[in-house]
Amino acid sequence: DAKTTQPPSMDCAEGRAANLPCNHSTISGNEYVYWYRQIHSQGPQYIIHGLKNNETNEMASLIITEDRKSSTLILPHATLRDTAVYYCIVRVEDNNNDMRFGAGTRLTVKP
Amino acid sequence: NAGVMQNPRHLVRRRGQEARLRCSPMKGHSHVYWYRQLPEEGLKFMVYLQKENIIDESGMPKERFSAEFPKEGPSILRIQQVVRGDSAAYFCASSQTGGLAKNIQYFGAGTRLSVL
Repeated sequence: DAKTTQPPSMDCAEGRAANLPCNHSTISGNEYVYWYRQIHSQGPQYIIHGLKNNETNEMASLIITEDRKSSTLILPHATLRDTAVYYCIVRVEDNNNDMRFGAGTRLTVKP
Repeated sequence: NAGVMQNPRHLVRRRGQEARLRCSPMKGHSHVYWYRQLPEEGLKFMVYLQKENIIDESGMPKERFSAEFPKEGPSILRIQQVVRGDSAAYFCASSQTGGLAKNIQYFGAGTRLSVL
């Protein structure tokens, strides 16, 4: 699986958009980009995933660059409850199903 | 729909005792994954199981740890003769299908094991 690089921490003002970057320069054509988050003391929560097209759901938007070497998770209107560690994970389509969690980005939403 | 259920939420054991962690997957899910999270660290994959089969146990310590997912009942992660280094949060995830990266894993709330 391709390795990902994320900034260790970010701050965001409440009500503003939070843009979380992820570099995955060695991603392969059959690897998907997944985003999860982990709020303190809770289990990881699935947010969104995509292959090459931009994706949007009720939680967030995922923007993947045309060369697929990086992506950005966008929380359009961050709230205090969005404070969490956000993990960007790339996964290859085969029988190996483990999720390779890195250190993630610790997002702090401030009032 | 009930999510992934793990119990107990907190488990305290003394060194040398056995710890049993249970995981009931989401309804309709037949694939279960166990992860361990040490304090201030990310999640590390341990084992992937389907009903009655271990598919991938590459992340399991070679000794004292075992996992099962019987035909009936929850998946069990068993740690024998626990040591203080086993203190961690253990998370279970389940998915509807396996083998495809677009398949989504849903996580439980975890079991926090403390070894005294």
